[in-house]
Amino acid sequence: GESVGLHLPTLSVQEGDNSIINCAYSNSASDYFIWYKQESGKGPQFIIDIRSNMDKRQGQRVTVLLNKTVKHLSLQIAATQPGDSAVYFCAENIRLSGGSYIPTFGRGTSLIVHP
Amino acid sequence: NAGVTQTPKFRILKIGQSMTLQCTQDMNHNYMYWYRQDPGMGLKLIYYSVGAGITDKGEVPNGYNVSRSTTEDFPLRLELAAPSQTSVYFCASRRTQGALEAFFGQGTRLTVV
Repeated sequence: GESVGLHLPTLSVQEGDNSIINCAYSNSASDYFIWYKQESGKGPQFIIDIRSNMDKRQGQRVTVLLNKTVKHLSLQIAATQPGDSAVYFCAENIRLSGGSYIPTFGRGTSLIVHP
Repeated sequence: NAGVTQTPKFRILKIGQSMTLQCTQDMNHNYMYWYRQDPGMGLKLIYYSVGAGITDKGEVPNGYNVSRSTTEDFPLRLELAAPSQTSVYFCASRRTQGALEAFFGQGTRLTVV
């Protein structure tokens, strides 16, 4: 079946470096993608989203890039801080057979920031 | 606003016992979801609801039931708990299905022994 997946399960970076977390998707009909951050012991928290009619979207210290040609999504975090250590999920808003749209999550990437 | 509140935070069940995981939101969101998260994995959808009185199965509904008698509450019922149901359960809501942001509760860590 079609799915959302992540290339790297763990990413270790030094504080101050830029981080790039990648995500591959296979559902070509997906028109909306979301990145969530999940800190230890907490629920996922929305970071940023992008629609399929966009290539890039920027937030505060984060940028999401979408390459529809190769069905690839990335989250870039500038000047990574220890507080950025968490698991990051990309998710698609997938349309079910009944017509409802559901946030559907990939496996996640654990980002570890070393001081 | 409290957002999405889940209770309890932790629970240990014996095989065959039953329990209800509570979820309530105070944002007047129509859409609510129950996910489970196994160690090192993503979130899998158990059930969802598009409004009061309407529920539907997700990817992994077996062994669970839900109800949605009010907009605020979306309890998840486990009947005859099994070790395979050991997981962390998350409830989420969003205003519309086109609204990008879903709000999550803090999760319920359930262990079945």
